[in-house]
Amino acid sequence: GAVVSQHPSRVICKSGTSVKIECRSLDFQATTMFWYRQFPKQSLMLMATSNEGSKATYEQGVEKDKFLINHASLTLSTLTVTSAHPEDSSFYICSARAGRKVDPPLHFGNGTRLTVT
Amino acid sequence: AQKITQTQPGMFVQEKEAVTLDCTYDTSDPSYGLFWYKQPSSGEMIFLIYQGSYDQQNATEGRYSLNFQKARKSANLVISASQLGDSAMYFCAMRHSGGSNYKLTFGKGTLLTVNP
Repeated sequence: GAVVSQHPSRVICKSGTSVKIECRSLDFQATTMFWYRQFPKQSLMLMATSNEGSKATYEQGVEKDKFLINHASLTLSTLTVTSAHPEDSSFYICSARAGRKVDPPLHFGNGTRLTVT
Repeated sequence: AQKITQTQPGMFVQEKEAVTLDCTYDTSDPSYGLFWYKQPSSGEMIFLIYQGSYDQQNATEGRYSLNFQKARKSANLVISASQLGDSAMYFCAMRHSGGSNYKLTFGKGTLLTVNP
């Protein structure tokens, strides 16, 4: 089945530093990738949608200068949390959509738990 | 506006019994898709089952079935013969719009605990 690899699975960084999270589709070309954020015991909140070769579309309330998304190829999207602060600590999870069928199930990475100290 | 509602924050079931997890949705789109995902404590999101708005029959995938009642706008997940490994968070999600506006909106989830 389709596999999405997300790296790193856990990261601890100091306040003010930047952290990059990678999301790769391993056996399919992902026309669209999605980045979600999940606080403990809460649902997934869509942060942004990225299409290969174009700028990401951010959801309302998400700071695009803080959460930089790059979708340079059909198999790789990156999320960079810039100048991280403790309130950015969260679980970040990416998902990828294969092709343009109406309803392929989204394939999710295993998530990245970010802790900012 | 599109909305997914899961009214059960937590559910308990005895091993080998069936359990129904509720999900209602609200959308004005004539075409939409409904998904259920399982999230164990490790965090990954596991796709379970899908129902399209135009599908005539309820979706089934092994022990999972989706009780789709379009008029009531409900898409309940039924897990038969529960197993201890089914203990996890379950999210109902809806795909609304299509093409370049494809988005998946998630409900708040239901934490299922299977008791031995």
